[in-house]
Amino acid sequence: DAGVIQSPRHEVTEMGQEVTLRCKPISGHDYLFWYRQTMMRGLELLIYFNNNVPIDDSGMPEDRFSAKMPNASFSTLKIQPSEPRDSAVYFCASSRLAGANEQFFGPGTRLTVL
Amino acid sequence: DQQVKQNSPSLSVQEGRISILNCDYTNSMFDYFLWYKKYPAEGPTFLISISSIKDKNEDGRFTVFLNKSAKHLSLHIVPSQPGDSAVYFCAAGSGGSNYKLTFGKGTLLTVNP
Repeated sequence: DAGVIQSPRHEVTEMGQEVTLRCKPISGHDYLFWYRQTMMRGLELLIYFNNNVPIDDSGMPEDRFSAKMPNASFSTLKIQPSEPRDSAVYFCASSRLAGANEQFFGPGTRLTVL
Repeated sequence: DQQVKQNSPSLSVQEGRISILNCDYTNSMFDYFLWYKKYPAEGPTFLISISSIKDKNEDGRFTVFLNKSAKHLSLHIVPSQPGDSAVYFCAAGSGGSNYKLTFGKGTLLTVNP
């Protein structure tokens, strides 16, 4: 089985540009999570979806960030406009069951905003 | 306010010896705990978990211990192998309708041959 797929793996952009990160969860998984990893704050949950519906977006840092899940096999995290402090590794993860402990992570997208 | 803390940013051990990674938490509502391992340029992968109704869970060379009164858990790796060198994240969550995990900042384990 393919794991969680993220694209692109690396993104370098200039301040003010729009950035779109993409995620394909594992087939059959009901939950999808977006995380951000930085040296200062570690691994932070940004938002998560259940059955394509956003459940908790309290971790989204500001209105420049938005996430969508138009169907069970695709999600996007968008930053518009991007800023240098958004530079981080962004992970997508999915899990199968309500209350299941284990989340499966994608390889991450390393974002650099110049 | 960090609810899950891994106070040792790094740990170095010799191959064959025991590695002990520690984690402390502050939120009494947490009732399950997980350890993830992360290699460079890869996403974290699940290693082992423990529910708050237990105080120990073992899987091969990996054992997690939970001390609820101290709000402390630890991961023991015996014997340590060079392939275990990675960043280890402690994570905690609470049951019910909240499926969020709160992660510590990680501990870099280096196992020397």
